[in-house]
Amino acid sequence: GNSVTQMEGPVTLSEEAFLTINCTYTATGYPSLFWYVQYPGEGLQLLLKATKADDKGSNKGFEATYRKETTSFHLEKGSVQVSDSAVYFCALFDGNKLVFGAGTILRVKS
Amino acid sequence: IAGITQAPTSQILAAGRRMTLRCTQDMRHNAMYWYRQDLGLGLRLIHYSNTAGTTGKGEVPDGYSVSRANTDDFPLTLASAVPSQTSVYFCASKTDRGRDTEAFFGQGTRLTVV
Repeated sequence: GNSVTQMEGPVTLSEEAFLTINCTYTATGYPSLFWYVQYPGEGLQLLLKATKADDKGSNKGFEATYRKETTSFHLEKGSVQVSDSAVYFCALFDGNKLVFGAGTILRVKS
Repeated sequence: IAGITQAPTSQILAAGRRMTLRCTQDMRHNAMYWYRQDLGLGLRLIHYSNTAGTTGKGEVPDGYSVSRANTDDFPLTLASAVPSQTSVYFCASKTDRGRDTEAFFGQGTRLTVV
């Protein structure tokens, strides 16, 4: 079945640093790809998505590009803030079921 | 406000007791899911339902059961709780928009089995 693998954390950055969280996928066909974010004590919320190859999803300064050639969907942000501290999940659908990576903890220090 | 409501938000449960986690959505989504979240393991699918009246097993179904009597409700039952079921449980539902689909999550239920 379809699956995703994302980089292990935690990732610790200083405020205004550049962020990359790697995500690669294995899939039959080209499913839509997602990044979800979980802030402390909360549920998951959709951060961004891309529905086809070469699409770029973006939201709140975060971006990710659907790369068919490298089967990747890396999350990037040019300048992180303390408020970005959270757990980030890469995900895709395997049939009708949403499958997640293990999650990457991001800690941003002021 | 439209969305998914889970109850309770947290619970401490004695081992061997029966417990039902409630999940209600008002978005009229056909597909609903239960996940558990454990440190270092991400989210794992317990059970799912593609539409009212149908259910299916996910990755870690043992010790859990679900029912889907109507579109809005998707309760998760632990028949006889064990400490390994200590976790945070999330209910989710999914839109039916083809490639533009996305999933929505509840705020979670933190369950501790002692």
